Amino acid sequence: EVQVVESGGGLVQPGGSLRLSCAASGFGFSNYDMNWVRQAPGKGLEWVSYISSSTSTMYYADSVKGRFTISRDNVKNSLYLQMNSLRDEDTAVYYCAKGRGAFHYGMDVWGQGTAVTVSS
Amino acid sequence: DIRMTQSPSSVSASVGDTVTITCRASQGITNWLAWYQQKPGKAPKLLIYATATLESGVPSRFSGSGSGTDYTLTISRLQPEDFATYYCQQAYSFPLTFGQGTRLEIK
Repeated sequence: EVQVVESGGGLVQPGGSLRLSCAASGFGFSNYDMNWVRQAPGKGLEWVSYISSSTSTMYYADSVKGRFTISRDNVKNSLYLQMNSLRDEDTAVYYCAKGRGAFHYGMDVWGQGTAVTVSS
Repeated sequence: DIRMTQSPSSVSASVGDTVTITCRASQGITNWLAWYQQKPGKAPKLLIYATATLESGVPSRFSGSGSGTDYTLTISRLQPEDFATYYCQQAYSFPLTFGQGTRLEIK
């Protein structure tokens, strides 16, 4: 079964750090671009970050640039999001999403999400 | 950044109806447009990519069309399981951006 499973969410104080992980299985992880997408409580979807299959290319939303770092380990079939200097507005469910092919083709496999709450 | 504007924000319809949701991009996106369905407490699900290509397993009552800056998602013969929130997403350039969502409710 093709799936991605996120972990690492939790409660963190403003200014703190958290590292999210996404374990992929059932597909050739190293061949696919990956994304992180988040959804604040009661709000819509917000793309956060992208990494190409070879790790040569990464993009970030302006709202997280300089604070978040995306990475992947193609041997461990895992995607990561290191989140530093967290703010209240980073509170959201974070989804790991597999690119369907090139980024033009959307995101076809999503995890169940991991909740991040930034609060003092 | 490319801004995606969906309309309506919400719509009420009955089982068996046909519903159309529109998405307008702030600049041309050359058909690189995807549609997702999200049910409460669940992850989004890819329905359509590249404007009109149905993802595997998605019922044929879902269809997409459009060009340039204007795109539509049409759901024909609404079924009970179709009541959800729908998002468009431009896949033309980074940063990837989503529409604000359209909530489809049962009348």
